[in-house]
Amino acid sequence: DQQVKQNSPSLSVQEGRISILNCDYTNSMFDYFLWYKKYPAEGPTFLISISSIKDKNEDGRFTVFLNKSAKHLSLHIVPSQPGDSAVYFCAASEGGADGLTFGKGTHLIIQP
Amino acid sequence: DTGVSQNPRHKITKRGQNVTFRCDPISEHNRLYWYRQTLGQGPEFLTYFQNEAQLEKSRLLSDRFSAERPKGSFSTLEIQRTEQGDSAMYLCASSLTQGALVGYTFGSGTRLTVV
Repeated sequence: DQQVKQNSPSLSVQEGRISILNCDYTNSMFDYFLWYKKYPAEGPTFLISISSIKDKNEDGRFTVFLNKSAKHLSLHIVPSQPGDSAVYFCAASEGGADGLTFGKGTHLIIQP
Repeated sequence: DTGVSQNPRHKITKRGQNVTFRCDPISEHNRLYWYRQTLGQGPEFLTYFQNEAQLEKSRLLSDRFSAERPKGSFSTLEIQRTEQGDSAMYLCASSLTQGALVGYTFGSGTRLTVV
């Protein structure tokens, strides 16, 4: 039973355009959400997080939006750069618990 | 500080053998986590420590899996009587405070192949 779902296994975006990665969750007790980026042969790298008391959080080119009523979050990358090509994982925590539940990931490919 | 270090990077073992992996966290981080990642899946939480105390172990996959962090610094993950289904990437991560709030720093993982 996947509690965190990333329904797009891959996404291709042209360099300079906006990349939008989506994530849905089913557990209404989740209250912290995180995005990680992973390059081949490396561990995931933390990108940005949001708590359920907010609906938006920005950090440079990265913005995460949270729609609690729809149990949906998205990561926007503007503008997309070649180095953004990686697998992006959405993760969630229940009550701030230290164990995270991850989605299956979306492979983002930035086309020159 | 060179980040979270995991050894070995790769391990090939025969079914039924025991294996042990080591994780050295970032030195000032008191929380340490173990995850498993199989092909096409996201990381799956196994267990975590705050200093030397193992605060969550109910998610360990079976009683063949055990983890220790004896002095609150490095940690080991042991799998006894390995099975082919144990083949996966085993990831370690550390954080200074609650990982859900600040994100973890992951190591590069140990890839286990059981033949």
